[in-house]
Amino acid sequence: AQSVTQLDSQVPVFEEAPVELRCNYSSSVSVYLFWYVQYPNQGLQLLLKYLSGSTLVKGINGFEAEFNKSQTSFHLRKPSVHISDTAEYFCAVSDRAGAQKLVFGQGTRLTINP
Amino acid sequence: NAGVTQTPKFRILKIGQSMTLQCAQDMNHNYMYWYRQDPGMGLKLIYYSVGAGITDKGEVPNGYNVSRSTTEDFPLRLELAAPSQTSVYFCASSSWDSNYGYTFGSGTRLTVV
Repeated sequence: AQSVTQLDSQVPVFEEAPVELRCNYSSSVSVYLFWYVQYPNQGLQLLLKYLSGSTLVKGINGFEAEFNKSQTSFHLRKPSVHISDTAEYFCAVSDRAGAQKLVFGQGTRLTINP
Repeated sequence: NAGVTQTPKFRILKIGQSMTLQCAQDMNHNYMYWYRQDPGMGLKLIYYSVGAGITDKGEVPNGYNVSRSTTEDFPLRLELAAPSQTSVYFCASSSWDSNYGYTFGSGTRLTVV
């Protein structure tokens, strides 16, 4: 079975500052990794995903994440945040089985202050 | 717009009542899922389906039932509502050739009193 731990439940950041949202996972098999964003009162949208290849993955809205197999981590970064990035962010993992089921972390609420 | 449609958006139930949360997708996706979201807990998988007529339990299936008679529809049934089922419910779909390209519905906020 897989599990995901998001190390920060809330992250406050000033506008135009860099941000890192931390995610660690546990699995006995190879995994795929994902970051989703949820804006208030909306469903989830995919930011980026790691399936194979380069360990540095670029996503939408200027976000990127780096897969580190030895540290079982998949941290999300953005060099300069905007007010519009205020949202909840979820890290997720899948065991590559046919049904494409996801296991989600607890979420990190990112608040951008002017 | 193509996507995943959930109805209703909000519902208040009394303890012991039953209801069905509807989910429909028009993308011909073979995989469909139901998740519940509780504050500070992330999303937990309730049930999933890999195609019409095939369903299986997820992490938290107790108190729920599903069916998948068509590719498009995947309703979630609550038989005897309990306060512990107060949550936001999300339906999602994906396909075998989408590389985990999940599409989520906008959610149903359910309160059991």
